[in-house]
Amino acid sequence: QKEVEQDPGPLSVPEGAIVSLNCTYSNSAFQYFMWYRQYSRKGPELLMYTYSSGNKEDGRFTAQVDKSSKYISLFIRDSQPSDSATYLCAMSRPLGGYNKLIFGAGTRLAVHP
Amino acid sequence: GAGVSQSPSNKVTEKGKDVELRCDPISGHTALYWYRQSLGQGLEFLIYFQGNSAPDKSGLPSDRFSAERTGGSVSTLTIQRTQQEDSAVYLCASSYPGTGSYGYTFGSGTRLTVV
Repeated sequence: QKEVEQDPGPLSVPEGAIVSLNCTYSNSAFQYFMWYRQYSRKGPELLMYTYSSGNKEDGRFTAQVDKSSKYISLFIRDSQPSDSATYLCAMSRPLGGYNKLIFGAGTRLAVHP
Repeated sequence: GAGVSQSPSNKVTEKGKDVELRCDPISGHTALYWYRQSLGQGLEFLIYFQGNSAPDKSGLPSDRFSAERTGGSVSTLTIQRTQQEDSAVYLCASSYPGTGSYGYTFGSGTRLTVV
């Protein structure tokens, strides 16, 4: 079983829709939770990070962490064609003096006009 | 530099040849990481450098893979006797120490194709 599970999609939505992306994890040692966005032929870029359970909002994006269920979500409101990308969840756990980042498989999102 | 720079951006090599992939991290970032991304897969951790030493190389898939870092800056990932299953995008990231949990900055990667 993978430490981090993420449905690879693809997910196709119309412009303006609310998008929900999710990941589950098995290791309770994970402390930091992140979402990265990756455009085609580019490296991942950090979108949001959270440390504790609860919600964090940044513009049209909301990250949600539920540590009791080992479940994290990213919501995108009023989705735009420019949001079309692969979204990767990532989480880190302490390991020998550094925090090791483990990624989900990524969900490919297409927002069509 | 302004970002993490990787070269070459694309590499096609014949099975059995050796390849070297280069990563130039952000100036001042002492932590450097290599990941591999295969089609439809997430990012697979390969190795972590702090300065010139590699305290975690647990992700290197076989002894054909090696990496070094010199001067606390540029890193080279070497794959010997390449196999078709080595085809993937190799991503490098860097961070300041202590921000590794959320401060990774990735390069655009090297797309390796073994034919």
